[in-house]
Amino acid sequence: SQQGEEDPQALSIQEGENATMNCSYKTSINNLQWYRQNSGRGLVHLILIRSNEREKHSGRLRVTLDTSKKSSSLLITASRAADTASYFCATEGAQKLVFGQGTRLTINP
Amino acid sequence: KAGVTQTPRYLIKTRGQQVTLSCSPISGHRSVSWYQQTPGQGLQFLFEYFSETQRNKGNFPGRFSGRQFSNSRSEMNVSTLELGDSALYLCASSLTQGVEKLFFGSGTQLSVL
Repeated sequence: SQQGEEDPQALSIQEGENATMNCSYKTSINNLQWYRQNSGRGLVHLILIRSNEREKHSGRLRVTLDTSKKSSSLLITASRAADTASYFCATEGAQKLVFGQGTRLTINP
Repeated sequence: KAGVTQTPRYLIKTRGQQVTLSCSPISGHRSVSWYQQTPGQGLQFLFEYFSETQRNKGNFPGRFSGRQFSNSRSEMNVSTLELGDSALYLCASSLTQGVEKLFFGSGTQLSVL
């Protein structure tokens, strides 16, 4: 069962534009994480935001968390071709990380 | 520090066979989690091992099993393979329990014919 659900399922933008992905979840969380996966490869951890944090930055990434709406967003600024990948949010459920279905991001040159 | 290593990278089997996948975690990491990824179901949790003990198990049939050795290396085994077992199997390690930051291997792509 998915705890987090990403939106949109797919996103295609031009290089240099910003990309925003959203994640909604159902139950209370201690933290929420975002991962990136290049096609057919393993996932790479991007950022972890704790329930008492509202916003976190890492390079060109900005993550926000709204626990009252049970939602998070990942913003990638000044996108590059190398950002083409699938992005997943993950939350804790029954002592394991539960991943959403992901957003497939395509950056067009 | 070396990352998480999974072997083999690709595997082709036929229905009814069994398969063993291997995972070497990052040095010092004691938790190893396994996930199955398919286009239809996404990432599904299989199980987690910590200090050679299975600490958590997902909703998979008993044909899926695993173990962890004293050096934290882990193996998972799938017996009596079915077509639906075709998937990317991902292993991830973490320092403590598998709900904090996970470090993933590149996965084993299993095709069942």
